[in-house]
Amino acid sequence: EIVLTQSPGTLSLSPGERATLSCRASQSVSSSYLAWYQQKPGQAPRLLIYGASSRATGIPDRFSGSGSGTDFTLTISRLEPEDFAVYYCQHYGSSRYTFGQGTKLEIK
Amino acid sequence: EVQLLESGGGLVQPGGSLRLSCAASGFTFSDHAMSWVRQAPGKGLEWVSAIRGSGASTFYADSVKGRFTISRDNSRNTLYLQMNSLRAEDTALYYCAKDAYSGSYFPLPNWGQGTMVTVSS
Repeated sequence: EIVLTQSPGTLSLSPGERATLSCRASQSVSSSYLAWYQQKPGQAPRLLIYGASSRATGIPDRFSGSGSGTDFTLTISRLEPEDFAVYYCQHYGSSRYTFGQGTKLEIK
Repeated sequence: EVQLLESGGGLVQPGGSLRLSCAASGFTFSDHAMSWVRQAPGKGLEWVSAIRGSGASTFYADSVKGRFTISRDNSRNTLYLQMNSLRAEDTALYYCAKDAYSGSYFPLPNWGQGTMVTVSS
């Protein structure tokens, strides 16, 4: 069973700064099946990135994903006020989905 | 526009049962795999179950296997989750979600707003 570990648990930054969020898999996974979601309080998750690096429809280009094997990264190049939220990585494989525990991005 | 509307949540005693529904519109329902994902209060996301577009294949998280049953009625564009032998740890907001491409299972670009299930005496 694959475990996804996200770090840091909480990231405190200011608008305009760059955010780097990490997702580490317990074993090598296909980047085709690695995604990132954003969730704001009281809202459903929103797909940001799939296939490790492809932006979903309507996602601003300040969001980018990278990585392969066991290490994946979500980067927000220049934080906007609406970007402060919880971010989850997700993997699909062997007919099951796995989510990381989430990284809370908060305003410093 | 894709719309997913969950219903059926509520308060149930430990050991009880509940059936959740997810009414879908805006896409060809039978072409797409569907999933249930839950979120306990203040916690992260946990995948619960998935079903192929035809309904022929179903998949479950270990935490619910043998207690929950996913099904769908493609004539009614509705997804179901029958939950039996409910436990306190099943308390969560339950979301239904749709896959991106016909039969792809991944990713999950469309989510409902969720229905709350509370298991308590």
